[in-house]
Amino acid sequence: DAKTTQPNSMESNEEEPVHLPCNHSTISGTDYIHWYRQLPSQGPEYVIHGLTSNVNNRMASLAIAEDRKSSTLILHRATLRDAAVYYCILRDFSGTYKYIFGTGTRLKVLA
Amino acid sequence: DTGVSQNPRHKITKRGQNVTFRCDPISEHNRLYWYRQTLGQGPEFLTYFQNEAQLEKSRLLSDRFSAERPKGSFSTLEIQRTEQGDSAMYLCASSQWTGLEEKLFFGSGTQLSVL
Repeated sequence: DAKTTQPNSMESNEEEPVHLPCNHSTISGTDYIHWYRQLPSQGPEYVIHGLTSNVNNRMASLAIAEDRKSSTLILHRATLRDAAVYYCILRDFSGTYKYIFGTGTRLKVLA
Repeated sequence: DTGVSQNPRHKITKRGQNVTFRCDPISEHNRLYWYRQTLGQGPEFLTYFQNEAQLEKSRLLSDRFSAERPKGSFSTLEIQRTEQGDSAMYLCASSQWTGLEEKLFFGSGTQLSVL
């Protein structure tokens, strides 16, 4: 299973943009990049995913490097409710169907 | 859409006892996943079903663990002869697999404490 590397923790001020990096140097051509986040005392929730092109949705944006060996989740204006653990996951489209979660990045948002 | 429901929310048991957890997925979702999560770690894959078929089971899952999904609806996860190392949050997720893309919807989990 391809692996991802994320910083253990990050801090951001409220109302400012947050860039959460993820390295996935062993990514294969069929791996989708998924992001989930887990708020305290809840199960993970889907944030965004992409394959090659940058993606936007109401929650966030996903910027994927041209060589696909890294990606960045962008929260445009962090709020206190965005404080969570963010997981970057590679999802093999053609093979095994399980999602492999790492330890993620714990985002702290300062008021 | 009422979301993924897991019961019970909390379970305290004594070592050696059997426990069973239930997961009710989002209606008509054809895939159902079980994960386990310990403090400070990300969720760890246990097994998953497509409809009623159990398609993959983690090598880390001992024979004391068994999961079922009769009729492709709700699922149960049973742990026999519980050990203290089984203490964890057990998460269930469901999805609608269309052959292209997939989003997992997680429940709030069942917190198991083995004394």
